[in-house]
Formats: sequence, C-alpha cells, structure tokens
Amino acid sequence: SQQGEEDPQALSIQEGENATMNCSYKTSINNLQWYRQNSGRGLVHLILIRSNEREKHSGRLRVTLDTSKKSSSLLITASRAADTASYFCAMSSGTSYGKLTFGQGTILTVHP
Amino acid sequence: EAGVVQSPRYKIIEKKQPVAFWCNPISGHNTLYWYLQNLGQGPELLIRYENEEAVDDSQLPKDRFSAERLKGVDSTLKIQPAELGDSAVYLCASSLGPAREGYTFGSGTRLTVV
Repeated sequence: SQQGEEDPQALSIQEGENATMNCSYKTSINNLQWYRQNSGRGLVHLILIRSNEREKHSGRLRVTLDTSKKSSSLLITASRAADTASYFCAMSSGTSYGKLTFGQGTILTVHP
Repeated sequence: EAGVVQSPRYKIIEKKQPVAFWCNPISGHNTLYWYLQNLGQGPELLIRYENEEAVDDSQLPKDRFSAERLKGVDSTLKIQPAELGDSAVYLCASSLGPAREGYTFGSGTRLTVV
C-alpha cells in the first residue's frame, strides 16, 4: 500500500537552527500533507500541497514537492524548543481521496 | 470551536473484555475517520465515514471490531473481545470532505490491554 518513508527517523538540533525532514512515496498522489504530533496528543495539520504545486509556505514552514522524484520535504526555519514533536507526512492517492496514508514520522528534538 | 472530542483519554482493560471509544467530530464535518496508532508508528486507517455511511472499512478487523456513526454525527468504535495486541492509541479525526483539506484530530484514547 502507499506509505511514506520519512528521513531521518530522528533529528536533534539547537534552537535557531533549521530542520529539514524528507518524505518519499511510491505511487502518484493527489496531495501530500504534513502533520505534527506532540507527545501524548493528537495530530495537528500543518500544511497541504497539491500534486500540481511545487512549493508552499506557512509562517516558518516551507514544503516542497517533487513528483518526478516522488518526494517532499518540510523545512522549519529558526526552530524553537516548542517545535519539538513528531512530524508525519501523509499522502492522498488515486481515486480514494478519503484514504490518507501516513509515514512513520520524524522525531524532532530542539534543544534550548 | 471545541475541536474533535474523544473519550475516554485512557482505558485499561483485561484481555477478552469489551471496550468502546467515543468520538464527537467538529460540527458540520461530514467525514469521520478512526485511526489506530502503535507506538513509534504513523496512524493507520481503520474506517472512514461519509455522514452515516462507512465508505472504507477494509482495514477494520471485523471479527472483533465494530463501529457506528448514528445520525452522521457522533461515532463509537468497539472492540469485543480485546486482545493484548490491541494496545495502542485510537485516534478519531474529521474533515469537511475526503482528503482535499487537512484533517482535525482528537487527542486519542490510549488503550492498554493486560
């Protein structure tokens, strides 16, 4: 089944640095979404990028999508300790818009 | 706006016992999802509802799991009987439409089967 693979599995940085997380997938997509999950909480939607888009920005977040390489990246600029969380990419594929398939996530730790 | 409300937040039961989880989606959201999340993994879809109709339940283990969404609003997910391997977080989410926009997730129910 379509499932994203995220890289790295874990990332540890200092406050103020940028964090980049990558997601690769196998089949064509309708859109790709990124979510954040704080420990013990539900997921929070960050950004959605459609298959005909190449880049989107939201505050300190920048998402790119390369459909030829079947990959996406999430960049968090000027990271803060509060950005510490797990980040998941999720793909909507084929005719089943309703089935969002998640990757296994990247654990980001931002040290003060 | 209250967001997606799930209860209980935590549940500990003995194996072979039944358990039920409840979800109240955001008002006006027609699409409701139940996901299962194992430790260190991404969520996996169990069932998706469009209003009161289950349109995708292919990943739901129907021998022990059941779900309903009466009147197309609240939903209940039930496990009977529970097994040790069912220990996980059960997440409910809702959206205005299927995957054309982001989902709103509840905080989840952490189930421990002992």
